Amino acid sequence: DVKVTQSSRYLVKRTGEKVFLECVQDMDHENMFWYRQDPGLGLRLIYFSYDVKMKEKGDIPEGYSVSREKKERFSLILESASTNQTSMYLCASSLRRTTRTSGRAVTQYFGPGTRLTVL
Amino acid sequence: SQKIEQNSEALNIQEGKTATLTCNYTNYSPAYLQWYRQDPGRGPVFLLLIRENEKEKRKERLKVTFDTTLKQSLFHITASQPADSATYLCALEAWSNYQLIWGAGTKLIIKP
Repeated sequence: DVKVTQSSRYLVKRTGEKVFLECVQDMDHENMFWYRQDPGLGLRLIYFSYDVKMKEKGDIPEGYSVSREKKERFSLILESASTNQTSMYLCASSLRRTTRTSGRAVTQYFGPGTRLTVL
Repeated sequence: SQKIEQNSEALNIQEGKTATLTCNYTNYSPAYLQWYRQDPGRGPVFLLLIRENEKEKRKERLKVTFDTTLKQSLFHITASQPADSATYLCALEAWSNYQLIWGAGTKLIIKP
């Protein structure tokens, strides 16, 4: 069974702290994603990675960094947490579709989420 | 800019009726349109997808339609049950990249 796990379900941190959120997938997926989800705003992509050590910025990368040293693991780092980073953080993974003719949809598999509160 | 819209108001449906959710998009040529279910405090779970050249897809009580002329997808749950209550998200997938473009979701409430 497909599985994506996240290091914490709930996390409370203080302003200015460095925060690490970790995501592990066991499906040998090439792509991994970090989203944040806020009421009324839906899923917003922070960063994604399509291979080990590769990363690309999503729609809202400011204040975040990522690390992908191993294929199964994708970490999100908040260098100096701020109150406006209080949110639900969701990690996802998917296979990579390389060409139009491959005909394979890139369904995303999500972890359970981490509810981060920054005080 | 690319945009996906779902009805932000909650949809209240009586148990046993068909629930229909709408996903509209602009400025986009999707390869696939995907539907996900999200329960409170959980990550989204994939339900069903439809390709650009398909009109309709079914899976048990679920049906998805895709009209590329209207730039709209409809998601139907027939014989709805209280256990179907959740937020439903649509997402567009382009041929050109790895990402999904997400709608904000519609909350569905099935009343017994």
